[in-house]
Parts: sequence; C-alpha cells; structure tokens
Amino acid sequence: DAGITQSPRHKVTETGTPVTLRCHQTENHRYMYWYRQDPGHGLRLIHYSYGVKDTDKGEVSDGYSVSRSKTEDFLLTLESATSSQTSVYFCAISILGNTEAFFGQGTRLTVV
Amino acid sequence: SQQGEEDPQALSIQEGENATMNCSYKTSINNLQWYRQNSGRGLVHLILIRSNEREKHSGRLRVTLDTSKKSSSLLITASRAADTASYFCATDAYQGGSEKLVFGKGTKLTVNP
Repeated sequence: DAGITQSPRHKVTETGTPVTLRCHQTENHRYMYWYRQDPGHGLRLIHYSYGVKDTDKGEVSDGYSVSRSKTEDFLLTLESATSSQTSVYFCAISILGNTEAFFGQGTRLTVV
Repeated sequence: SQQGEEDPQALSIQEGENATMNCSYKTSINNLQWYRQNSGRGLVHLILIRSNEREKHSGRLRVTLDTSKKSSSLLITASRAADTASYFCATDAYQGGSEKLVFGKGTKLTVNP
C-alpha cells in the first residue's frame, strides 16, 4: 500500500474525549490528506497539508485539527469527539495536489 | 459542497456488458482522476486525464473529458464480476496557493455473473 500506514485501524471512544489519528508515510510525498467517508456522502476532505507545517482546511473541517511537524507524519485530532464524527477516516498522500493519490487502509472510528 | 458529482449513484449490469459512469464538476481543473474502491478498503487510482486531453485509454477503461461541459465519463468495457466496486472521480481545486484533491460521492457498480 505505497508506504502509507494509518493507526489505529479501529477505535471506539466516548463522546467528549480527544482522539488522535496518525498517518505515516515512507514515500516523502509533499501532500497529505485526511478524508472521512460516510454512506451517501462519498469522500469528504477534512484537512490537507502541502508541506511541513503547511496545512489548510477542507470542506468538513469543523471539530478537527491537524498537525504536520515532519514530512512523514500527519496527525488528525478530534478535540472533543461527537457521535457525528463516527466514520471511516482515510489518509492519502500525493506528490502534488493534482497527481495520483495513494490511500491508507482507513481507520474506523466509533464515538459512543 | 463537493466538487465532483458522479451519476448514476448505483449501476447493476451483467458480466460482459459495458458500464458507463459520469462525473460533473464545478470549477476549472488541471486534471481529473478516477479511482476504484473495493468494499471497506482504501481507494486505488485508475487513470488521470489532463485538462488538455479529450480521451484516454487504459486496458478496458476509457475516460473522456469535456471541459466545456465540466464533465467526464468512465467506460468499463466487457465488465467482469471482479469489477464490482465503487468508482469515484476526483478533481484538483485551487485554494490559497495550493491545490487540494476533492472527490465526488461515487458510483456503486455491481457486475452480476
């Protein structure tokens, strides 16, 4: 899977708790993305990064923050998890913002 | 709102038939890409077509792009049961000095043996 690893793969957490998902790449790609996938909505972009410490919001960024302190890691944090954030989260990487993207295997997050 | 929108949302065909999926988008693009997702797994890149290209082939896949109509189509010829998956189009969207990759809602294709 193109040197991209998401952790954890599955997580159950309680409403109101903070949660951090990690995306790690070994490809040295400049761009990294976090998407969420929900039935009927396809993939929606949460945040993306176009370089170390360079991040920007996607279409569904409320309630999420990200950090990228080094090329290989892109962290997604839910500051205070809500049930509406129950979803499958995918990380992706690409060389540029308009080139082929490679996806991780996904993280299934359940907020109870 | 999402940049790309695929239709139909679901498509069911018999093995050997051709499958056509369409994608419409809203803003100018540099490239349009198609991806496939098998159930529960990450997306896999199929093909990329540049804005100055009108048609591209890869094996049994044929992609067309009409920038004047802001639309693209993906044709899978001689479909197989193994083609059963969801298919997504993705476009690049310029935002504040960088480009982001935005996906549509996808078409769920079922190929019946």
